[in-house]
Amino acid sequence: DTGVSQDPRHKITKRGQNVTFRCDPISEHNRLYWYRQTLGQGPEFLTYFQNEAQLEKSRLLSDRFSAERPKGSFSTLEIQRTEQGDSAMYLCASSWTSPTGELFFGEGSRLTVL
Amino acid sequence: QKEVEQDPGPLSVPEGAIVSLNCTYSNSAFQYFMWYRQYSRKGPELLMYTYSSGNKEDGRFTAQVDKSSKYISLFIRDSQPSDSATYLCAMTHNTDKLIFGTGTRLQVFP
Repeated sequence: DTGVSQDPRHKITKRGQNVTFRCDPISEHNRLYWYRQTLGQGPEFLTYFQNEAQLEKSRLLSDRFSAERPKGSFSTLEIQRTEQGDSAMYLCASSWTSPTGELFFGEGSRLTVL
Repeated sequence: QKEVEQDPGPLSVPEGAIVSLNCTYSNSAFQYFMWYRQYSRKGPELLMYTYSSGNKEDGRFTAQVDKSSKYISLFIRDSQPSDSATYLCAMTHNTDKLIFGTGTRLQVFP
């Protein structure tokens, strides 16, 4: 069990550029979540997938953000025309569909927009 | 008003102290309550899980849920320097997604 892996761990970009983050969940898990965390705050829900279907998107996810999970395996989160307010840690988590709702998190991808 | 409120701290205690961490929430539909621990530069990891009201104990950790007051607590007995981390409460009503508190930063000094 290699856990949830995220890539890259840190991305520095200039305002207006596009960035893409990748998440590889635990292989047996059918749910995959994206959260955003800023300094001193808890993770904020962005979106989640069950297999390849995107079931919910937060209103935090503007039209500059898009997430995919082709074939229900890895997922990508793309941010277009980045803004300084997008600077944050982007956390991916995976889980089974279960009553406990336990999420297994990756170590996150930190985005810095200059 | 946020759905889940948590005192951000920081909380600084000596080794061996009893620590009390708390969250309040506004959505009475929440049924599943969790505490996650997050070390610096790491993702959160599940520490305790409780369904509905009641207490749950696991070693030095005790989680309490009072649904009538919309209040949950995490107690840490005999705190250790290795407990120094940010503690996040999280909750959900239907397991579709977790709603997290802001986190309380705890430092246990020797």
